[in-house]
Amino acid sequence: QKEVEQDPGPLSVPEGAIVSLNCTYSNSAFQYFMWYRQYSRKGPELLMYTYSSGNKEDGRFTAQVDKSSKYISLFIRDSQPSDSATYLCAMTNRDDKIIFGKGTRLHILP
Amino acid sequence: NAGVTQTPKFQVLKTGQSMTLQCAQDMNHNSMYWYRQDPGMGLRLIYYSASEGTTDKGEVPNGYNVSRLNKREFSLRLESAAPSQTSVYFCASSGTRDSPLHFGNGTRLTVT
Repeated sequence: QKEVEQDPGPLSVPEGAIVSLNCTYSNSAFQYFMWYRQYSRKGPELLMYTYSSGNKEDGRFTAQVDKSSKYISLFIRDSQPSDSATYLCAMTNRDDKIIFGKGTRLHILP
Repeated sequence: NAGVTQTPKFQVLKTGQSMTLQCAQDMNHNSMYWYRQDPGMGLRLIYYSASEGTTDKGEVPNGYNVSRLNKREFSLRLESAAPSQTSVYFCASSGTRDSPLHFGNGTRLTVT
């Protein structure tokens, strides 16, 4: 079983819809969870950074961590065409390297 | 505030040629990283430097060498390029090993 699993997509949704992006992981030691957004021909940029379980909200973005299920989610409300990008989840424990998912390609249809 | 700057942006090499990819960060970060990104493979760690003066191998170090020149700069060298090294290379930095990474915009390398 891979350490981090992420559906590659592509995921196509109409503008204004709520988007749900997910990752599962196998290492129960992971404590820090991140979501990155990567536009075409650019480097990944940090969207959300959370520690342990629970929810964190930032504008239209909500990150959710369920450590009991080893499952993390990113929700995007009122999706816009500018949200079209690849979204990568990432996670780490305190003492080891950051592990990335392979990314989900998201298309928001105008 | 430039963040993480990578040069060059694009490069084409012939098999067997050598080159050095440059990376500099202006955020006073301790840790720096080199990744490659290939379709279907995601981001794979080549080498990292937890602090100035130290370097360690990542997941795919073969064919590469690195130098942590000072706190700001971390270079990646290909001594004898191979077509399998055709990829997009990203440099990243973080304040500590469990802090989020900040990425540059990549170097697109083609080896023919």
